[in-house]
Amino acid sequence: DTAVSQTPKYLVTQMGNDKSIKCEQNLGHDTMYWYKQDSKKFLKIMFSYNNKELIINETVPNRFSPKSPDKAHLNLHINSLELGDSAVYFCASSQRGGPETQYFGPGTRLLVL
Amino acid sequence: DQQVKQNSPSLSVQEGRISILNCDYTNSMFDYFLWYKKYPAEGPTFLISISSIKDKNEDGRFTVFLNKSAKHLSLHIVPSQPGDSAVYFCAASALGNNRLAFGKGNQVVVIP
Repeated sequence: DTAVSQTPKYLVTQMGNDKSIKCEQNLGHDTMYWYKQDSKKFLKIMFSYNNKELIINETVPNRFSPKSPDKAHLNLHINSLELGDSAVYFCASSQRGGPETQYFGPGTRLLVL
Repeated sequence: DQQVKQNSPSLSVQEGRISILNCDYTNSMFDYFLWYKKYPAEGPTFLISISSIKDKNEDGRFTVFLNKSAKHLSLHIVPSQPGDSAVYFCAASALGNNRLAFGKGNQVVVIP
């Protein structure tokens, strides 16, 4: 059973399009995250939700909008895609209440042409 | 501003020998440290962690050492195996803050 899953795994699209990436976790965790790994391989947090409530919102363009329909799902919608949005996007989850060990999904490789 | 730094981006080691990965941090509020392992086209996988109340944590072939005064931690893998070939990320967080700061990773290649 996959603990944290993301769809799609690969996404190739044109500039200006709108796209969504979905994430689901079956670990029963309360907190979910989106990370971006850029071309320099840095992993940077974008958003974090706890029980459907936004708790971390880094300096991310408002073209990026996370949505959490329930605590097992955190989707990422991106409007008006730009070339610089090309990256690998990782979803993760953790259980709050102690030191945070986060568990990651396999990543979505987004290429904007 | 990188609060977690991993220098020496790549390491090659013979199978059976020790691999040592280093990580430095700048934020004195960090009190929980983790190492993640990442294979190509996969997400990072949690490997081992250490709380700031300890200076060593061991799990099988993996040992993490923490030197709080130097703001330095290291990961030892012994003996190294070909399956250990991956990118290793160091990460840190502060108490009550679920924001993980990551280093840029070290590529390890274990030569059979």
